[in-house]
Amino acid sequence: GQNIDQPTEMTATEGAIVQINCTYQTSGFNGLFWYQQHAGEAPTFLSYNVLDGLEEKGRFSSFLSRSKGYSYLLLKELQMKDSASYLCAVMDSNYQLIWGAGTKLIIKP
Amino acid sequence: SQTIHQWPATLVQPVGSPLSLECTVEGTSNPNLYWYRQAAGRGLQLLFYSVGIGQISSEVPQNLSASRPQDRQFILSSKKLLLSDSGFYLCAWSVREYNEQFFGPGTRLTVL
Repeated sequence: GQNIDQPTEMTATEGAIVQINCTYQTSGFNGLFWYQQHAGEAPTFLSYNVLDGLEEKGRFSSFLSRSKGYSYLLLKELQMKDSASYLCAVMDSNYQLIWGAGTKLIIKP
Repeated sequence: SQTIHQWPATLVQPVGSPLSLECTVEGTSNPNLYWYRQAAGRGLQLLFYSVGIGQISSEVPQNLSASRPQDRQFILSSKKLLLSDSGFYLCAWSVREYNEQFFGPGTRLTVL
């Protein structure tokens, strides 16, 4: 079966750095997506990785290792507004997105 | 720029009643359209997707149906709601099936 694993919840301090991991087992691979979802709101697109390596976008970076079935989202200089759930999703061979349950990130002052 | 609308924002319906949720996209042509359901603490579940007018693919057997009467309009329906239909319903669009998806604001449905 297809599976996406990510931690349920993480806590970090304002101004610090946090890494959210995602491991996956899917039927084929056509890219990995990270989304941010604030409570009660819709997910918003953060990043896309299809090749191995690091993609940097401001305070957020995303890393992919296809051979290990592994990705992480790195958030730097954490702000209170970064408190949200972070969803990892993998596009399989049929171009369907397989979603993880999300990691709830709590930022403390 | 592209915009996606969903309504209503919240809905409380009795068991056995019908359902109609609407989604429209502005600023793009021939988008791929998707209906998802999100249960608390769980990943998004793809319900239906459409690559064009009148073309609907169903991912999960259920008492829901979808229609795409116009290029940028996607409708989710049910003839008789079940308690298990409660959840957060999200409509999304993408340029092509391999592109990132953009979500509407969602409809929170409670079936009592």
